[in-house]
Amino acid sequence: DAGVIQSPRHEVTEMGQEVTLRCKPISGHNSLFWYRQTMMRGLELLIYFNNNVPIDDSGMPEDRFSAKMPNASFSTLKIQPSEPRDSAVYFCASSLAHGSTGELFFGEGSRLTVL
Amino acid sequence: TQLLEQSPQFLSIQEGENLTVYCNSSSVFSSLQWYRQEPGEGPVLLVTVVTGGEVKKLKRLTFQFGDARKDSSLHITAAQPGDTGLYLCAGSTNAGGTSYGKLTFGQGTILTVHP
Repeated sequence: DAGVIQSPRHEVTEMGQEVTLRCKPISGHNSLFWYRQTMMRGLELLIYFNNNVPIDDSGMPEDRFSAKMPNASFSTLKIQPSEPRDSAVYFCASSLAHGSTGELFFGEGSRLTVL
Repeated sequence: TQLLEQSPQFLSIQEGENLTVYCNSSSVFSSLQWYRQEPGEGPVLLVTVVTGGEVKKLKRLTFQFGDARKDSSLHITAAQPGDTGLYLCAGSTNAGGTSYGKLTFGQGTILTVHP
């Protein structure tokens, strides 16, 4: 069975450029999460969707970050313009939203480096 | 904001030794999960505990949820090099009575087991 699929795995870009990260959740999962992981701050929840609707985006750092989920099988996280402090590994995860004990299935992450 | 503090941050031990990782919070969680993450991959769920005082065993790993559901521990017996990785605890709360919960992750414990 295919797990959560993220692309690209690695992205190196220059400050000011637009970055788009993509995620395909596990088929049948109705919750999708975007996390950012750094050594300093650990895993931070940026935004999560339930049934394609954004439920909580309080973790999105600032207006430069935006996320969409146009359908149940695809989501994007966009950073425009990117800054060096955005360098991190960005994870997408999906789950079945049955109560609060649902297991999160993570993708392999997208490592972003902003020069 | 619920915070989860993990200790120790780093643990370097020899094969065959026992170890315990702690996860503490001032908040009450409806459930708590432990994940393990290897380099270049996303976290993978090890266990979910939901009842105060609950103890779960997974081969050489023993997980305990505190009676007050504010803390948890992970104990590994006779550690092996294959146990090396980042161990993350994550607490979940029911967000306003809805059917899904946000996971708050601890900073993680980096475990290295030397042969």
